[in-house]
Formats: sequence, structure tokens, C-alpha cells
Amino acid sequence: EVQLVESGGGVIQPGGSLRLSCAASGFTVSSNYMSWVRQAPGKGLEWVSVIYSGGGSTYYADSVKGRFTISRDTSKNTLYLQMNSLRAEDTAVYYCAANSPFDPWGQGTLVTVSS
Amino acid sequence: DIQMTQSPSSVSASVGDRVTITCRASQDISRWLVWYQQKPGKAPKLLIYAASSLQSGVPSRFSGSGSGTDFTLTISSLQPEDFATYYCQQANSFPPWTFGQGTKVEIK
Repeated sequence: EVQLVESGGGVIQPGGSLRLSCAASGFTVSSNYMSWVRQAPGKGLEWVSVIYSGGGSTYYADSVKGRFTISRDTSKNTLYLQMNSLRAEDTAVYYCAANSPFDPWGQGTLVTVSS
Repeated sequence: DIQMTQSPSSVSASVGDRVTITCRASQDISRWLVWYQQKPGKAPKLLIYAASSLQSGVPSRFSGSGSGTDFTLTISSLQPEDFATYYCQQANSFPPWTFGQGTKVEIK
């Protein structure tokens, strides 16, 4: 069964850092496009970042460029999102998702940026 | 970036009703349009890709149509499990992938 499981969310103060993980099973992270998509409370979906298969080119939404870094560990078959200089507006459920169109999705992990 | 606009933002309907949701792209995206369904507290679920191709396991009461800039998602006979929020997404020009703002289908 193909499955993605996120972890690493929590409450963090503005300006702080957090690293999210997305562990994959049933498929190979490095062989697929892997994205992070977030959803602020009561709001819609916002694509955040992607790492492409193969060479691993990375891209970011303007809202997180320069603050977030996407990466993967092939030995652990895991995707990561390093989030620095966090702001209140980064508060959201963060989902990892594979491929384009996005399928499958993980269950999400909540990040709350608050003092 | 391509902007996606859905209408309506919400719709109230009864079980058995036919429901249509529209999605408009700010520029031609051919048939690179995706629909997702999201239930409260859950991750989005892929319903339709390439404007009209049904994802495996999705009931045939769901259908999609359109090309260019105008698209529709139709639920032919609304079932209790279909009450959810639906999002369109363009997959023509990325990154970034962009989503519509969502349409909430509520019980009348």
C-alpha cells in the first residue's frame, strides 16, 4: 500500500525553526515529484514547494522562498521541509503529496506559529 | 502565475440533486485541470485529472468537462458522502501549481 506519513509539526514562536518529515512506504520518494502543500485554518490549499525526481531540482512558492528548504533522504525514503524564520502566517496544516496531479497525500501535520 | 477561480463558493443541495461547480483559469490551460475532494479534518483526495478522467475508485456520478479556461465538475446525484469541499487545480504551467479557492457542498 502506498502511504505518506508526516510528522514534526507543533507550536513554535515567530522567528523559530521547525523541520517536517514525510515518510513514504510503497513507493520511492526519489522516483517521484514530491511536494508540500499547506492549508491555513479555514482556508484553501496553497502549494509550498516541490523536489523533482532524478536530479532533485527544487522550487518554492514566493511566500516561503528563502525561508523554507525542501530535501529528501533516499536511504530513509523520506521527504523533509526545513522551515526557518517562521511567521504567524505560516500557521497551517502541512501535507506532503506525490506526483502531479497530487496523489497520494499524507494525513497532514499542524504547524502553529504563535508567541 | 495562473489564477484559478471557482464558483460558487458554497452550494446547498439535497441528496439526489445534481450539483455543478465551475472553475475558470486566468489563461488557457488546455485540459490540464484537476479536481480534489476534501472532507473536514482529512487530506484532499484526487477525483478527476486531465479535466475529465476519473481517478480509479471514484464513483461514476462524478464527471468533469471543459478545456481552455472554463471547466465544470458535476455530481449527477448527490450522495450523503459527497458533502465536502471541492478544489480545482491547474497542472498546465508549474511550478507553481495553483488551486481554486474551494466550493463547499452543504446539506440543504
